[in-house]
Amino acid sequence: GQNIDQPTEMTATEGAIVQINCTYQTSGFNGLFWYQQHAGEAPTFLSYNVLDGLEEKGRFSSFLSRSKGYSYLLLKELQMKDSASYLCAVRGWPGTYKYIFGTGTRLKVLA
Amino acid sequence: GAGVSQTPSNKVTEKGKYVELRCDPISGHTALYWYRQSLGQGPEFLIYFQGTGAADDSGLPNDRFFAVRPEGSVSTLKIQRTERGDSAVYLCASSRSTDTQYFGPGTRLTVL
Repeated sequence: GQNIDQPTEMTATEGAIVQINCTYQTSGFNGLFWYQQHAGEAPTFLSYNVLDGLEEKGRFSSFLSRSKGYSYLLLKELQMKDSASYLCAVRGWPGTYKYIFGTGTRLKVLA
Repeated sequence: GAGVSQTPSNKVTEKGKYVELRCDPISGHTALYWYRQSLGQGPEFLIYFQGTGAADDSGLPNDRFFAVRPEGSVSTLKIQRTERGDSAVYLCASSRSTDTQYFGPGTRLTVL
């Protein structure tokens, strides 16, 4: 089957670092994506990994291990505006560029 | 430049009615995706187009749902005989071929 798992909720303090994990089991793989979604808004792209390793983009980094079916999103120097849902998505079942999303992790940043 | 736009932003209809939801992708984006998102869930894939053709429609829940993209740009998602369970936010996204996708603001559909 096809399955993407991520924690439902996390809480962290302003200025701290938080790591949001995502594990996946899919029949094909052509990239793992992280999106941020504020309540009532559309998802916005944060990062993309297709090869193993760490991709860094300012305060956000994303890591991928294809052999373990595992990724994480690291958010540093947390700000109140980072309170949002973070969606993990896998692209690319065989012969398609279809994306499958996880249910999202709701992050609350506290002062 | 303009992003992905969707109309209407909100649609309220009665059970059994027909609705059409429209998506205008970013100019030049060949791939177009439709998703459905319920509260507290991630986007659920419905269908994606590469140009004018539906490259993968495996996510359409049943034959009441249909989507077209006749000229390879604007797309319309059509839902016949709506049911209360169809209530959700319908998201459209577009991308250049293999690049990341960019989402529109969504259409909130409420079936009474």
